[in-house]
Amino acid sequence: NAGVTQTPKFRILKIGQSMTLQCTQDMNHNYMYWYRQDPGMGLKLIYYSVGAGITDKGEVPNGYNVSRSTTEDFPLRLELAAPSQTSVYFCASSQTGSVGYEQYFGPGTRLTVT
Amino acid sequence: GDSVTQMEGPVTLSEEACLTINCTYTATGYPSLFWYVQYPGEGLQLLLKATKADDKGSNKGFEATYRKETTSFHLEKGSVQVSDSAVYFCALSDRGSNDYKLSFGAGTTVTVRA
Repeated sequence: NAGVTQTPKFRILKIGQSMTLQCTQDMNHNYMYWYRQDPGMGLKLIYYSVGAGITDKGEVPNGYNVSRSTTEDFPLRLELAAPSQTSVYFCASSQTGSVGYEQYFGPGTRLTVT
Repeated sequence: GDSVTQMEGPVTLSEEACLTINCTYTATGYPSLFWYVQYPGEGLQLLLKATKADDKGSNKGFEATYRKETTSFHLEKGSVQVSDSAVYFCALSDRGSNDYKLSFGAGTTVTVRA
């Protein structure tokens, strides 16, 4: 019962470096999401995907890129890291996009950019 | 657009005290409403949900009723335990949107002392 897994759990980046946050789900969900959580704030949607090969921007996509080549994987790419990207990143998935369906969250990746 | 406003924290309670976290929402369509809980060091998990007006969601002693007339979904528990210490997020997904993303409140940190 792995559910949604994320790697790494923690990472420190220097300004201008790049990295990829990995996300994998084993529930055969079509919908996948990336959120960021800043202190004292709710989660903000970065990107989402409704199926393999289909992605779209959320509320705060600048500075990030995604791809969805398989149903299981939805990596998030940070190019030219900036201090404003210091946050906790959560990946989530859901069975469908139907209203009322639960999203399942991974444990998060805590990223610090210095 | 869709938005969720929830009671600011932090909230500190003694064991067996009553807990209420207020949540109100704004939505353009017919939203489903959720409470998610985040225990220390973990990702979010669904606590309860309601998909239409007057529905009551319940789980682990927590309850919330979908009140369309007051656009509210307040979370209540009659007797809290130390294990209820967590961050609680109110969220909605709106039938009127195309991507069925979740819109989150800022979260309320609850600490229960023995």
